[in-house]
Amino acid sequence: QVQLVQSGAEVKKPGSSVRVSCKASGDSFNTSTLSWVRQAPGQGLEWMGRIIPFLGITNYPQRFQGRVTITADKSTSTAYMEMSSLRSEDTAVYYCAQERGGVFGVLISTWFDPWGQGTLVTVSS
Amino acid sequence: SSELTQDPAVSVALGQTVRITCQGDSLRTYSASWYQQEPGQAPVLVIYGKNNRPSGIPDRFSGSSSGNTASLTITGAQAEDEADYYCNSRDSSGNPLFGGGTKLTVL
Repeated sequence: QVQLVQSGAEVKKPGSSVRVSCKASGDSFNTSTLSWVRQAPGQGLEWMGRIIPFLGITNYPQRFQGRVTITADKSTSTAYMEMSSLRSEDTAVYYCAQERGGVFGVLISTWFDPWGQGTLVTVSS
Repeated sequence: SSELTQDPAVSVALGQTVRITCQGDSLRTYSASWYQQEPGQAPVLVIYGKNNRPSGIPDRFSGSSSGNTASLTITGAQAEDEADYYCNSRDSSGNPLFGGGTKLTVL
């Protein structure tokens, strides 16, 4: 079972950028899909994008396109999420998670397992 | 609609059965997965692929679906089941989407 270990908490000024890392143990990193999910204080979960390290393919929802960049270093089994132009509303816990999928009967299923421990990013002047 | 709707809060008496629901059009095409999140902790997968439990998840957790509604059922709720629960499926663009979460209180 892969384990995901994230970098430590960050405090950033509005307008700056932050980069959070997610290091995977195990040998499935290159063939896996890594997603990033954030959770603002007292709020729900929000998907931010994914990377398939083996193919170098990334996907982002429209609301994060242009402001979030997800990369991966296959040599160290580490994924990175960089967010620019930070504002106070970006204060949240940021999680990486392995995204998996399959077909069950007639339904397509995707799920996230395991998750990293989370990284608190605080944006404050 | 690209939303997944969950009741904000549900309560259950210790040892009783509780059902947490998730509604959304995408659930007609995509099976829901379910996550348990305790305060200050990362989410933990409890159900995937309609009704599959990862290793280590007690068999009192089960999943089902009908039409546009997916359900997570806890049969014989325990005190340690008190947590927030989130469903996950996809939006109209095919991107992952989470429900707003349900806070479960075990009385």
